[in-house]
Amino acid sequence: DAGITQSPRHKVTETGTPVTLRCHQTENHRYMYWYRQDPGHGLRLIHYSYGVKDTDKGEVSDGYSVSRSKTEDFLLTLESATSSQTSVYFCAISEGGVNTEAFFGQGTRLTVV
Amino acid sequence: GQNIDQPTEMTATEGAIVQINCTYQTSGFNGLFWYQQHAGEAPTFLSYNVLDGLEEKGRFSSFLSRSKGYSYLLLKELQMKDSASYLCAVRVEDTGRRALTFGSGTRLQVQP
Repeated sequence: DAGITQSPRHKVTETGTPVTLRCHQTENHRYMYWYRQDPGHGLRLIHYSYGVKDTDKGEVSDGYSVSRSKTEDFLLTLESATSSQTSVYFCAISEGGVNTEAFFGQGTRLTVV
Repeated sequence: GQNIDQPTEMTATEGAIVQINCTYQTSGFNGLFWYQQHAGEAPTFLSYNVLDGLEEKGRFSSFLSRSKGYSYLLLKELQMKDSASYLCAVRVEDTGRRALTFGSGTRLQVQP
């Protein structure tokens, strides 16, 4: 299994509070991604990183920010959590080659009340 | 943008064969991936197609027709443990993100 760890695995937070989710990899993969998964929508890309300090937006980036100060860590921050951000968040990593697959972390279930 | 369609749910019998279809509309197509996801778990990679044709991997096979924007995942000799969601995803080449765009997934229920 790819060495990818998400923390925390579960979190309940209140509306309006900041939340940071962490993704840690031991594979030295260049690309890292944050997806959210909601019923009926599948996995949707929030933000991605193609190297240290190199990040860009995905399809559903509003209300989220990311940082990558080290190859192994990719942080997702909800600046002010809203109920619409209740979801399961998955981190994924990839070497970035054309035919290489992405490996997913175990997910973080976030509930905003 | 990309549009990926797959059936929401399917039911099949243990020991049988099931085919899960995926159609996509995208520019700059650069590969199609299938993932399996058991309830409450992470998606895991099953197969990859970039050229037309069939890729076989044990009980699982995946087919691609680029001209038709169509793929299917074929599962043979179904087992109860195959009950899961199957996610179709495409990669496009005109972005630097190398990210996958996913369909909503097909939930497969295998019955005894």
